[in-house]
Amino acid sequence: DAKTTQPTSMDCAEGRAANLPCNHSTISGNEYVYWYRQIHSQGPQYIIHGLKNNETNEMASLIITEDRKSSTLILPHATLRDTAVYYCIAEGGANSKLTFGKGITLSVRP
Amino acid sequence: EAQVTQNPRYLITVTGKKLTVTCSQNMNHEYMSWYRQDPGLGLRQIYYSMNVEVTDKGDVPEGYKVSRKEKRNFPLILESPSPNQTSLYFCACSRWLAGGRNEQFFGPGTRLTVL
Repeated sequence: DAKTTQPTSMDCAEGRAANLPCNHSTISGNEYVYWYRQIHSQGPQYIIHGLKNNETNEMASLIITEDRKSSTLILPHATLRDTAVYYCIAEGGANSKLTFGKGITLSVRP
Repeated sequence: EAQVTQNPRYLITVTGKKLTVTCSQNMNHEYMSWYRQDPGLGLRQIYYSMNVEVTDKGDVPEGYKVSRKEKRNFPLILESPSPNQTSLYFCACSRWLAGGRNEQFFGPGTRLTVL
């Protein structure tokens, strides 16, 4: 399973876009990029996933570089409720095992 | 409403007293898993189950047991709890879908303290 690296923390202003980077330079061809988030001590919540193409859903957008060695999660209009730990995960997916790293703590300031 | 439930949500116990944390899901998902979360160590997988009667060790299985007799239930058993098992525990379930969608649904967590 590919290992991911993320900054420890970042912050952004409410209403602005939050761009969360992730490096996964050892990702293999059949591994997907998944993003989850965990608000305080609640259970993690699925956000989005992708393989090669950029993806968008109601929560966020995922931009994956052409070489697939890095990606960016974009929250287009961050709110205070988006303050959370965000996990970037690169996994094959078929066995449903997700390896959570330490994630990045996003703080949205008023 | 699709959900994963865990009981109890909070538990304080003493070393050596056997306990079970229950997990139940109503989504008919094949895959279920247990994680523990500790400060500075992130989420670590304890055990997982691909389907009924199929279980396997995760990354930190020592001191834990599980069973999967029914699809909806996946209890976590601590036969002889020790203080180093004080942690926040999460149960999760998922179903592999076409297109790589591997959305795991997590329970609300069980905060366990072993004295």
